[in-house]
Amino acid sequence: EAGVTQFPSHSVIEKGQTVTLRCDPISGHDNLYWYRRVMGKEIKFLLHFVKESKQDESGMPNNRFLAERTGGTYSTLKVQPAELEDSGVYFCASSQDRNYGYTFGSGTRLTVV
Amino acid sequence: EDQVTQSPEALRLQEGESSSLNCSYTVSGLRGLFWYRQDPGKGPEFLFTLYSAGEEKEKERLKATLTKKESFLHITAPKPEDSATYLCAFKAAGNKLTFGGGTRVLVKP
Repeated sequence: EAGVTQFPSHSVIEKGQTVTLRCDPISGHDNLYWYRRVMGKEIKFLLHFVKESKQDESGMPNNRFLAERTGGTYSTLKVQPAELEDSGVYFCASSQDRNYGYTFGSGTRLTVV
Repeated sequence: EDQVTQSPEALRLQEGESSSLNCSYTVSGLRGLFWYRQDPGKGPEFLFTLYSAGEEKEKERLKATLTKKESFLHITAPKPEDSATYLCAFKAAGNKLTFGGGTRVLVKP
């Protein structure tokens, strides 16, 4: 079984630019989550999709972040325009059932300079 | 406010030297306490879920326990390959995980 795939693995962009992160969950997993870890802090929840619907987006920091999951398969997280404080590692996770432990991807390390 | 604190922040062990990691939590309506292992450059890898006080789970050299205020991850006779960051997280209302800061474990041969 293929795991959760994220790309790119690394991205370096300038402040003010746009970046789009992609996550391919495990096939058949309806639940998809985005988390991030900024420097020196804990991993924090961003949002949760059930299929193509946003179930909980309470962790999204501001309206510069836009997540989509068209067709209930892969998901994208767009940051526009990027700010320095957006630097960190963005993790995607998926689960078959919300009561199971999630499977995380390896993350995208975003650096905004 | 719901929160979780892990201690110690870092732990250096000799191979074979057993130890325990602590995860203290304050949450109303716990719906699960999770342990993950994270290696450098990788995402968290699921280890255990505990749901109620008194519950215990084991996997190889790892054993997780849960009380009403804490969870412990016991590492018995660790090997160098057990070196990693161990994360605990809880699930309360909703479906999101709230993570602690992690414990970095280094096992020296």
